[in-house]
Amino acid sequence: DAGVTQSPTHLIKTRGQQVTLRCSPKSGHDTVSWYQQALGQGPQFIFQYYEEEERQRGNFPDRFSGHQFPNYSSELNVNALLLGDSALYLCASSLYPPGHEQYFGPGTRLTVT
Amino acid sequence: AQKITQTQPGMFVQEKEAVTLDCTYDTSDPSYGLFWYKQPSSGEMIFLIYQGSYDQQNATEGRYSLNFQKARKSANLVISASQLGDSAMYFCASASSGNTGKLIFGQGTTLQVKP
Repeated sequence: DAGVTQSPTHLIKTRGQQVTLRCSPKSGHDTVSWYQQALGQGPQFIFQYYEEEERQRGNFPDRFSGHQFPNYSSELNVNALLLGDSALYLCASSLYPPGHEQYFGPGTRLTVT
Repeated sequence: AQKITQTQPGMFVQEKEAVTLDCTYDTSDPSYGLFWYKQPSSGEMIFLIYQGSYDQQNATEGRYSLNFQKARKSANLVISASQLGDSAMYFCASASSGNTGKLIFGQGTTLQVKP
């Protein structure tokens, strides 16, 4: 039973560029949430996708956008990268409505130079 | 709005001893859930234990137990019989019961288990 997978593992981008991160949920799960974790901090909720729609959003600018595909996998896109976007991006999957168990992936480490 | 406070940036514990990691929360939601996650150096967040605000008994999962004191708004994690593999970052989180998809995390506590 495959858990949550994320790609790529690491990524280095230049300020102003755009990046796409990918997430495949745990088998049987239909909901994907994205979190940003800056170094030394706790994760912060970016947004959640269910039925290919953004269901709720945290306090992140419109530069952060996402998509969910019919197979429940999801992408996180960040435009006009800033140095402050450097972080570990975590994907979590669950059933909808999310109960008290969300399964996290290993994350994508994004470095913006 | 919800807020989680973890006041211990780092903790040490001797192998086989018990350790308590502190967590206080602030929420205006009448019904909510409290979570603890473990994050090893690999980065993956591992779910440990959950406590609902209306649960009558403190949650337990193997060596993990949650000391829930609602009046004091605290949800401390107790790890019994610490093992070297318990060395990691530990996060307390909360969510409204009607919105458990949006977790609010604390700053975390780094636990080091000494042999």
